[in-house]
Amino acid sequence: GDSVTQMEGPVTLSEEAFLTINCTYTATGYPSLFWYVQYPGEGLQLLLKATKADDKGSNKGFEATYRKETTSFHLEKGSVQVSDSAVYFCASSGGYQKVTFGTGTKLQVIP
Amino acid sequence: EAGVAQSPRYKIIEKRQSVAFWCNPISGHATLYWYQQILGQGPKLLIQFQNNGVVDDSQLPKDRFSAERLKGVDSTLKIQPAKLEDSAVYLCATRAGPTNYGYTFGSGTRLTVV
Repeated sequence: GDSVTQMEGPVTLSEEAFLTINCTYTATGYPSLFWYVQYPGEGLQLLLKATKADDKGSNKGFEATYRKETTSFHLEKGSVQVSDSAVYFCASSGGYQKVTFGTGTKLQVIP
Repeated sequence: EAGVAQSPRYKIIEKRQSVAFWCNPISGHATLYWYQQILGQGPKLLIQFQNNGVVDDSQLPKDRFSAERLKGVDSTLKIQPAKLEDSAVYLCATRAGPTNYGYTFGSGTRLTVV
């Protein structure tokens, strides 16, 4: 079945540092790929998505590029802020099928 | 657009008791999901509805968990009897179309079984 693997956390960065959270997937066909964010005490929110190879999803300074050749969808941000502290989930899905989530990566940004 | 509403936000019960969670989806969203998120893990799908029909309940522990979606709108998830390992956040999510639309999640119900 489909699966998503993302780097284990927690990731601790100083404010304004560069962020990369790695994500790879296995799936049949060409799934859509997502990053969700979960702030403390809240539900998951869609951060960005990409629906085909070489698409770049972006939102709030975060970016991720759909790389079919490496089956990856790494999340990046050039300069993190304290308010970015949250748990980030990579996810994949095909068509009308369920979304499969990774285990999540906790990001802590210190001032 | 109103979000996905879930209640209660928190629930503490003793093992072997029963509990029910409620979800009110975004108006017009035909597809509804219940996910279980155990602390430190990613969400795991329990059941998927399309309108009021079940599409996928392969990972629902049917000996103790049940769910329904009356009239294709609100949904309830029930656990009877609860076990300690059911302690988790139960998330309801809906979407308007194919999965490339992404989900909209509710805030979840945090269940603690003692």
